[in-house]
Amino acid sequence: GQQVMQIPQYQHVQEGEDFTTYCNSSTTLSNIQWYKQRPGGHPVFLIQLVKSGEVKKQKRLTFQFGEAKKNSSLHITATQTTDVGTYFCAGPQGGSEKLVFGKGTKLTVNP
Amino acid sequence: DTAVSQTPKYLVTQMGNDKSIKCEQNLGHDTMYWYKQDSKKFLKIMFSYNNKELIINETVPNRFSPKSPDKAHLNLHINSLELGDSAVYFCASGKGVRTSPLHFGNGTRLTVT
Repeated sequence: GQQVMQIPQYQHVQEGEDFTTYCNSSTTLSNIQWYKQRPGGHPVFLIQLVKSGEVKKQKRLTFQFGEAKKNSSLHITATQTTDVGTYFCAGPQGGSEKLVFGKGTKLTVNP
Repeated sequence: DTAVSQTPKYLVTQMGNDKSIKCEQNLGHDTMYWYKQDSKKFLKIMFSYNNKELIINETVPNRFSPKSPDKAHLNLHINSLELGDSAVYFCASGKGVRTSPLHFGNGTRLTVT
């Protein structure tokens, strides 16, 4: 079945540095979603990308969807301690309602 | 005005016991899900219901039995609990369309001793 691979698994940065996590799917995705889970919290929806080559920004966060709709990235500019958490990408599997999550990238920020 | 609420938040029990987790959503969504998050934070779908009908049933031991009395509620009953069942269980809801984002509950941390 479809797999959603996410790298890196962990990322440690100094506050102020940039951070990027990458997501790759074995199949073309109709859309890709990004979620953030704070330590001890639950996944919270951040954004959804639908169009090939789409780029969306939320303040310091930039989300991209690849031209082939098989990969995506989340870039955070000038990280802050409030950015800590695990970032997940997720895509629907085939024609089903099943949302398959990547294994997440855990971001820690040193102040 | 919590959108997706789960109870209990914590559940500590012994092997062999039976336990239930309850979930309710007030978002008017048609689809509800159970996800299991293991110690490595991997989120794995277990079940999905659309308007009370089971539509996704992953390879989950049949000790796990979901029940949806109405589209706003999805409960999870677990029989004969095992050590490996220890995890955080998240309920989520969505509009039921493949493009719709999920709203997660706060999770139930199950510890089996």
